[in-house]
Amino acid sequence: KQEVTQIPAALSVPEGENLVLNCSFTDSAIYNLQWFRQDPGKGLTSLLLIQSSQREQTSGRLNASLDKSSGRSTLYIAASQPGDSATYLCAVAGFQKLVFGTGTRLLVSP
Amino acid sequence: DAMVIQNPRYQVTQFGKPVTLSCSQTLNHNVMYWYQQKSSQAPKLLFHYYDKDFNNEADTPDNFQSRRPNTSFCFLDIRSPGLGDAAMYLCATSRNTGISTEAFFGQGTRLTVV
Repeated sequence: KQEVTQIPAALSVPEGENLVLNCSFTDSAIYNLQWFRQDPGKGLTSLLLIQSSQREQTSGRLNASLDKSSGRSTLYIAASQPGDSATYLCAVAGFQKLVFGTGTRLLVSP
Repeated sequence: DAMVIQNPRYQVTQFGKPVTLSCSQTLNHNVMYWYQQKSSQAPKLLFHYYDKDFNNEADTPDNFQSRRPNTSFCFLDIRSPGLGDAAMYLCATSRNTGISTEAFFGQGTRLTVV
């Protein structure tokens, strides 16, 4: 059974800092990994999708990496802004199923 | 434009009174999922449809049912809501080729049971 863990559970940083969120998973037989953002009381917004054959994906200030063999992914956020404050969830995709981590709650203070 | 639409955004129901949540999609994706997310927890998969094939998770209570009358629509029925069923319910879709399964989520329905 796939288990996904995210560390840290919460993170508070001043504006402008670069930061890294971590995601680990127990079963390396995945199709892809997605990073999502969730604002309080809202649904999920997809940020980045990394196929199992890829090592990283970039979108603006976000960079996600994937090391399937070690069961790890990181989300790097450059030059953080208060608008980045949200919960960040990673999810690994197996056949017909997405398994989520519990998320990292990020607060970026002005 | 929203591609996965959930209605209503907020639903209040009485303890034990059946309630239906709806989800529609404009992506023509063959897979639709229902997730339950309680406060500060990860979304938990309840069930999904692969085309018309219904796939129930082993630990999904019998109280939860689903219908998919066509490709675009999927419904979540809670037959007798209990206080413990209060949660955010998330609908998602993907075009599952077995290789690429990027999922798209709706904005969720927040269910309150009184």
